[in-house]
This record gives sequence, structure tokens and C-alpha cells, in this order.
Amino acid sequence: EAQVTQNPRYLITVTGKKLTVTCSQNMNHEYMSWYRQDPGLGLRQIYYSMNVEATDKGDVPEGYKVSRKEKRNFPLILESPSPNQTSLYFCASSLRSSGYEQFFGPGTRLTVL
Amino acid sequence: GENVEQHPSTLSVQEGDSAVIKCTYSDSASNYFPWYKQELGKRPQLIIDIRSNVGEKKDQRIAVTLNKTAKHFSLHITETQPEDSAVYFCAARGPYNNNDMRFGAGTRLTVKP
Repeated sequence: EAQVTQNPRYLITVTGKKLTVTCSQNMNHEYMSWYRQDPGLGLRQIYYSMNVEATDKGDVPEGYKVSRKEKRNFPLILESPSPNQTSLYFCASSLRSSGYEQFFGPGTRLTVL
Repeated sequence: GENVEQHPSTLSVQEGDSAVIKCTYSDSASNYFPWYKQELGKRPQLIIDIRSNVGEKKDQRIAVTLNKTAKHFSLHITETQPEDSAVYFCAARGPYNNNDMRFGAGTRLTVKP
């Protein structure tokens, strides 16, 4: 089944404790993105990637890191999480040649205490 | 960078009526405009999209119109049904053949039976 998966789905952590949210897609998509969703603010792009080893900052990259060592995986890293990073996070992927329709993962709800 | 504004933030209609949601964007070089529907607790899903070389696109009860001169695009839902109740997001993709996608803040549509 073609899909985007994220892990974990739910995470409660404490300030300063490094964490990684994984994202994987099995559709051979070139493009991948990370978004955070907060009430009243919609979806804001954190980082995006055009292909392996090609990433760029989105709208709100501060406090986040990403890597794209393999085409299927695009992990989001929070080196020192803070309470203002409490949010719902979505990973998305799209096929460059098909017109950019993005397929979203199920979301990861992160709480930083 | 691109800035997308979406109105209204909430919309309540009677079943069978039409609903219209409007978005404006700032970068005249943006070339792809998708609309996503997000049901409660679910991931966003693409419902319709339009490219900058097209003025209107229709898919059954859903249509999108694009006015490039005015830099705005709209979602039209006709004959609304209770299952259309959800949050709808518009988005605009940057022009530089990358993956820079900016979303509006969302519209919560309620269709009353």
C-alpha cells in the first residue's frame, strides 16, 4: 500500500531532551516536507527536500534539523526541544513529475513539558 | 517569501446551500494552488488543485477558480452535505521549481442538516 508513515504518533517529552520523528514513504517520491500545525495558524512548513542530500528551510525552521540521506526517509530532529515546539507535526511527500500533489502522513502529536 | 491569506476563518451553511472560501497570495510567480480538506483528527487530503495556466477547474460538486491578475483563488462547494463539514486549507507553491508550499490559516466549514 502506498503511504507515508510517521513515528511516533504521540510523544510527551521534557525541555532539552533530543528527539527524532521519523518519516518514511514507499512511493519513490522526490519531494518531502515537514509541517507543524497550530490552531489558527494553519500548516507551516518547517523544512523541505527536493531529493537526496537536497534540503532547504521553510517558513519556521528555527529549532529543527532534517536530513535526507535516503530517498524514502526524511527525519525531523529537535536537538533541544522547548515548550513552544509543542504542536502537531505532519510529514508529506510528492512526486515531482505528477504535479506536486502532496500525500500527508498521519501526524505526530508532540508535547514538550 | 509567499504569503497566503484565507477567508473566512469559519463558515456555517445549511445543507444544500453553496459555500465559498477565498484565498489571496502575494507572489505573482506562484504556479500551483491546491485545496486540502482535513477532518477532525485526520491528515489533510487534497480535494482539488489548479495551476497558474488554468482559470477554473471543476470536479463534481467542487470547483476552484483562479484570478492571476488579482492574485486570488476560491473554492466553491455546491449542494453541501453534512460530510463536507471539515477544515479546508488553501495553499500556494513557490515559483522556483522547489517544494516551498505556503498554506492559509484554514476555514472551518460546518454544514447544518
